[in-house]
Amino acid sequence: DGGITQSPKYLFRKEGQNVTLSCEQNLNHDAMYWYRQDPGQGLRLIYYSQIVNDFQKGDIAEGYSVSREKKESFPLTVTSAQKNPTAFYLCASSISRTGGWNTEAFFGQGTRLTVV
Amino acid sequence: GENVEQHPSTLSVQEGDSAVIKCTYSDSASNYFPWYKQELGKGPQLIIDIRSNVGEKKDQRIAVTLNKTAKHFSLHITETQPEDSAVYFCAADPDDKIIFGKGTRLHILP
Repeated sequence: DGGITQSPKYLFRKEGQNVTLSCEQNLNHDAMYWYRQDPGQGLRLIYYSQIVNDFQKGDIAEGYSVSREKKESFPLTVTSAQKNPTAFYLCASSISRTGGWNTEAFFGQGTRLTVV
Repeated sequence: GENVEQHPSTLSVQEGDSAVIKCTYSDSASNYFPWYKQELGKGPQLIIDIRSNVGEKKDQRIAVTLNKTAKHFSLHITETQPEDSAVYFCAADPDDKIIFGKGTRLHILP
């Protein structure tokens, strides 16, 4: 089954702890993205990556970090510097955007992070 | 950078009536405009998309229109059904990233 998998579905952490959210895809997509979803805020871009070993900040990157060591994996770390980390986090992937031919993004089922 | 505005934030329509959601974008370099549907607790899924060389696209009860000059595009759902109740997002795709609107929560009333 091809798809994009996020784990875990629910995550609880104590304030001040770093936490890493997993995102794996077997669609052979070059591009991967992390979005944060809050009520009434839509999907806000945290980080994105077009190719292995390269990534760029999105609109709300402060307090987050990512790595792209493998094509199929794009983990997101929520650090203690993130002021309000409780949210629904969505990972997505799409075919390479080289040449400007943009295509559908496939989303995972999301991870709901609660910091207490 | 690209900015996408989406209206309305909430929309209620009687079952069988039509629903229209509108979006505007700012970056004239955007050339791909997808619409996603998100059901509760799930990730968004693409329902229809349109490219800048096309003015209208239809897929059964769903249609999208694009006005490049005015930089706006709209989603039209006809003969709405209970399963159309969800949150809908428009997006614009200027280069190597996807920028989303804030979403519209659509309620289909019995």
